[in-house]
Amino acid sequence: AQSVTQLGSHVSVSEGALVLLRCNYSSSVPPYLFWYVQYPNQGLQLLLKYTSAATLVKGINGFEAEFKKSETSFHLTKPSAHMSDAAEYFCAVITGGYNKLIFGAGTRLAVHP
Amino acid sequence: DTAVSQTPKYLVTQMGNDKSIKCEQNLGHDTMYWYKQDSKKFLKIMFSYNNKELIINETVPNRFSPKSPDKAHLNLHINSLELGDSAVYFCASSLGDRGSETQYFGPGTRLLVL
Repeated sequence: AQSVTQLGSHVSVSEGALVLLRCNYSSSVPPYLFWYVQYPNQGLQLLLKYTSAATLVKGINGFEAEFKKSETSFHLTKPSAHMSDAAEYFCAVITGGYNKLIFGAGTRLAVHP
Repeated sequence: DTAVSQTPKYLVTQMGNDKSIKCEQNLGHDTMYWYKQDSKKFLKIMFSYNNKELIINETVPNRFSPKSPDKAHLNLHINSLELGDSAVYFCASSLGDRGSETQYFGPGTRLLVL
């Protein structure tokens, strides 16, 4: 069965510092991978997705993620954090069958001055 | 202009009541979903409809009944509400039901059962 593990439920960085949010997946078939962001009291917004094209995926707001099959990872990065990046980030996977998103537990990103 | 909208935004009710949440999308999508986010922010799919046909039905109590009157609407009716039903319920839609399709989420309905 497919699953997603997000290492670190809370990550805190300084404004301007590198953001690295970790995501590992398990899947017996090639996966589709997604990163969503959730701002307080709002719905989820897609940051980026991997659908078996380029392994380095660029998304909105300066975020990118690299699919590494050998490591079963899809870590999210941003070179320089902004205060507005503070939010909850969810990694998700879809494998086989229907369009059923399996979410990780989420990582709360805090950005301090 | 809202792509995926849900009503109501907040719902406070007593145990044992029956309530409905409505979802509408104006994206012309064929597939719609309901997800539940619990108090620990964990998200789990409940149902999915494609062209008004139920295609995903997770292990959800049968007190929860989705209904899709047309492709643009997916409603969720909950009977005999329990304390554990308190959560945020998100509706989502996608162009089709292939795995590569992006799902667009609504703003959520915050349900509190007292």
